[in-house]
Amino acid sequence: DTVMTQSPDSLAVSLGERATINCKSSQSVLYSFNNKNYLAWYQQKPGQSPKLLIYWASTRESGVPDRFSGSGSGTDFTLTISNLEAEDVAVYYCQQHYSTPPTFGQGTKVEIK
Amino acid sequence: QVQLVQSGAEVKKPGTSVKVSCQASGYSFTGFYIHWVRQAPGQGLEWMGWINPDSGGTNFPPKFQGRVTMTRDTSSSTAYMELSRLEFDDTAVFYCAREHSTGFDFWGQGTLITVSP
Repeated sequence: DTVMTQSPDSLAVSLGERATINCKSSQSVLYSFNNKNYLAWYQQKPGQSPKLLIYWASTRESGVPDRFSGSGSGTDFTLTISNLEAEDVAVYYCQQHYSTPPTFGQGTKVEIK
Repeated sequence: QVQLVQSGAEVKKPGTSVKVSCQASGYSFTGFYIHWVRQAPGQGLEWMGWINPDSGGTNFPPKFQGRVTMTRDTSSSTAYMELSRLEFDDTAVFYCAREHSTGFDFWGQGTLITVSP
């Protein structure tokens, strides 16, 4: 199974500042046939279902604010939240769906400092 | 619009079974796999398996093989997940989610299953 490891486990950021979350996969999730990374980021607010934020490592889902951005390729990925807003308080998960079983990182909790 | 609506919360005794439903609407039910994901209290997301609503084919990780059954009813666009021989640490919120090439693009609202004596 592909192990997904996120860092840090939690972080506190001031409003308007930047939050950066890292995700490392134990195997490459880059599909050479189409040059796409099968890496997604989800946001889960308290009491809610996870919501798809970023797919193919760097493409924002429709309706996701442009302060959310994803980068990386192969085994190393980053989710950046620029200009943090209060509504961004949540747990963020990375997921690889390149191979079965699809696996999630352990989650990173983002709070306001 | 795409929606996945799950059945309501349940309290079950250890050793019994629970069956959770996930009714899809707003898209062709047989066109997308449905996955089930478990989240224990305060914990992360754990994949439980998928069902192909078109063929009925399923795939589960070894941890759940022999204990989980996934079925579907195409006439009502509903997927089901049944977990047997419940234990206390099966207490969790269970989600269904639609698979797209981009990931799990739509999720149900979640179903809380509490295992209690």
